[in-house]
Amino acid sequence: NAGVTQTPKFQVLKTGQSMTLQCAQDMNHEYMSWYRQDPGMGLRLIHYSVGAGITDQGEVPNGYNVSRSTTEDFPLRLLSAAPSQTSVYFCASSYSAWSGGAVAGELFFGEGSRLTVL
Amino acid sequence: AQTVTQSQPEMSVQEAETVTLSCTYDTSENNYYLFWYKQPPSRQMILVIRQEAYKQQNATENRFSVNFQKAAKSFSLKISDSQLGDTAMYFCAFMKLGGGSEKLVFGKGMKLTVNP
Repeated sequence: NAGVTQTPKFQVLKTGQSMTLQCAQDMNHEYMSWYRQDPGMGLRLIHYSVGAGITDQGEVPNGYNVSRSTTEDFPLRLLSAAPSQTSVYFCASSYSAWSGGAVAGELFFGEGSRLTVL
Repeated sequence: AQTVTQSQPEMSVQEAETVTLSCTYDTSENNYYLFWYKQPPSRQMILVIRQEAYKQQNATENRFSVNFQKAAKSFSLKISDSQLGDTAMYFCAFMKLGGGSEKLVFGKGMKLTVNP
C-alpha cells in the first residue's frame, strides 16, 4: 500500500532557485493539501484542492503555487525560494466531506520533505 | 475563527505509566469534531482518536482515551500503559461539522517522551 508518496525527502536550495515538491496518492481521495511544519508553529495549511482542476489558498500561500490536473497528483512549486521557506513540508489527502463512509477529518499524510534554503 | 491550544510543549513519562495530554479550544460552533494526531520520529502523522462533539460518550481506542468536556472546551488525551513506541509529537485538532479537511485547525503540538 503506497498511500501518500512525497518526493524528494530532502532538498537544499539556494535563495532564488525554484523547485517542485511532488505528491501522489493512490487512494482515490478527492481532497489533497500541503502543510508546512515549523518548530513551535504546528502545521499550517499552504494550499489545498477538493478535486481535479480545483485549488484554493490556505493560511500561508505566499511564495507557493499548486495545480491539480489529476486526482492522484498535487505538486507544490516554490517559485523563488527564500530562507523563510526552510521547513518540513507535508502532503496530505482524504475523502471529501461528502464522500459516503469517509471518516471526517481523517487525513492521510506523506512522510514529509525537509527543505533547506540557504 | 477557531483556535486550538496545547499549553504543555513537552512531557515525559515512564514506561507502563499513564499520562494525560491537555488541549483546549475556542469556538462558537456547536457541532464539530476533535482529533488527536501522533507524529513519531519517522515524521509521518497518524490519526490516533476522534471525538464528535454531539456524542456525550468519550471516545476510546485501545490504550488511548479522551476526556471531552464540551462546556469547558477541553479535550485531553489519556495514554494508559505507556509504551516506548508512544514517544512522538501529539497534535490536537478541531474541525467544524460540515467543513472539509481544509477546515482542520491544528494546535502547536506537544512532545511526549516515554522513558524505559
